[in-house]
Amino acid sequence: AQKVTQAQTEISVVEKEDVTLDCVYETRDTTYYLFWYKQPPSGELVFLIRRNSFDEQNEISGRYSWNFQKSTSSFNFTITASQVVDSAVYFCALSVNAGGTSYGKLTFGQGTILTVHP
Amino acid sequence: DGGITQSPKYLFRKEGQNVTLSCEQNLNHDAMYWYRQDPGQGLRLIYYSQIVNDFQKGDIAEGYSVSREKKESFPLTVTSAQKNPTAFYLCASSPLYITRHSNQPQHFGDGTRLSIL
Repeated sequence: AQKVTQAQTEISVVEKEDVTLDCVYETRDTTYYLFWYKQPPSGELVFLIRRNSFDEQNEISGRYSWNFQKSTSSFNFTITASQVVDSAVYFCALSVNAGGTSYGKLTFGQGTILTVHP
Repeated sequence: DGGITQSPKYLFRKEGQNVTLSCEQNLNHDAMYWYRQDPGQGLRLIYYSQIVNDFQKGDIAEGYSVSREKKESFPLTVTSAQKNPTAFYLCASSPLYITRHSNQPQHFGDGTRLSIL
């Protein structure tokens, strides 16, 4: 069975602070995929990034960066110079390769509520 | 534009009533999913379907039913057996397989907020 843990239930920062959202996952599969989604107050889920288990290269996209470490089973998400518009719920998710094929079925973490104050 | 349409956006249920939430996609995805989200909580899988006329229970299927008569449609019925239906319901779709080249695994609708009258 797969499991995703986001230990931080809520984070509150002041604008321009850097903030890191933690994600720890569990799986016995050797090939898997990790994702981050953002859920703004309007409710829809917005896809942010995908990372494959066989690619440990970290990624930066503007103010967003992701640190994938297989040794610690973590896939952390950092927002640099946070802005009020970053306020949302952020979900980490996992999909595994089952029998040679990877299905779109995801296991989600509980989510981290990020509030950025002006 | 391709996407997922959920309707209605807001829904109210009376005691003992069944209600149906609509989910339609035009992304030509084989798989579709229903999630429930309670305030301050993550997404819990209710049902999913990987092919027409077939579906599987998720983690919290009791009190819910689904059908998949067409590839594009995956309606969810909240039955009177579901004693605590107040929640935000999200529908999603995805290709059956994730490949090296497919980026976004699941596409989500805008959700339906269900409340009890």
